[in-house]
Amino acid sequence: QAVLTQPASLSASPGASASLTCTLRSGINVGTYRIYWYQQKPGSPPQYLLRYKSDSDKQQGSGVPSRFSGSKDASANAGILLISGLQSEDEADYYCMIWHSSASVFGGGTKLTVL
Amino acid sequence: EVQLVQSGAEVKKPGESLKISCKGSGYSFTSYWIGWVRQMPGKGLEWMGIIYPGDSDTRYSPSFQGQVTISADKSISTAYLQWSSLKASDTAMYYCVRLDSNWFPEGSFDYWGQGTLVTVSS
Repeated sequence: QAVLTQPASLSASPGASASLTCTLRSGINVGTYRIYWYQQKPGSPPQYLLRYKSDSDKQQGSGVPSRFSGSKDASANAGILLISGLQSEDEADYYCMIWHSSASVFGGGTKLTVL
Repeated sequence: EVQLVQSGAEVKKPGESLKISCKGSGYSFTSYWIGWVRQMPGKGLEWMGIIYPGDSDTRYSPSFQGQVTISADKSISTAYLQWSSLKASDTAMYYCVRLDSNWFPEGSFDYWGQGTLVTVSS
């Protein structure tokens, strides 16, 4: 079982909100990890969006709009990237990442379609 | 302005060796870890390993240990990723990344190179 699992795709309408999940493997407690989120648009390298561990331990990437935010769902053992006020330019692949056993681990990515 | 500028695309044959580069500028190169991330065609991101140019401390993902070598030349602010014998399965885009934290293993990859496309084909 992968360390981090993301849904392969998600669709949402312009102006709506999208909640992208990143589920940690059973036995790995989301509460102890900082979850990092990256956005990748076609033909470009990924860009750092934000990290979230708790409301007191979070960081927004430089220049990243506040409509991108992080949270956790402890009951689902998952990190969440919430994008509010969706815009067409938000259509991209989104990757979560953690540091686990001294290694960086990425989720498989979610392709967000805004239509 | 922080920049990571990678070397150009490569086309190689199986069994050949290769070394690609990543030159950092706009910051103290010896004070930040530099890592490498692979992205195979149409696939996701995979962390390969990382080096601290200040003292050449190098760590590898278990998946890539023994498969590649990461090095750095701090005199010219450049990190390298090399293969001694390429395989077709090494065909991918390779990104160098800067770790924003001194506290490995923690931190975000705050700057990314533009990517180097490596194609291995007979």
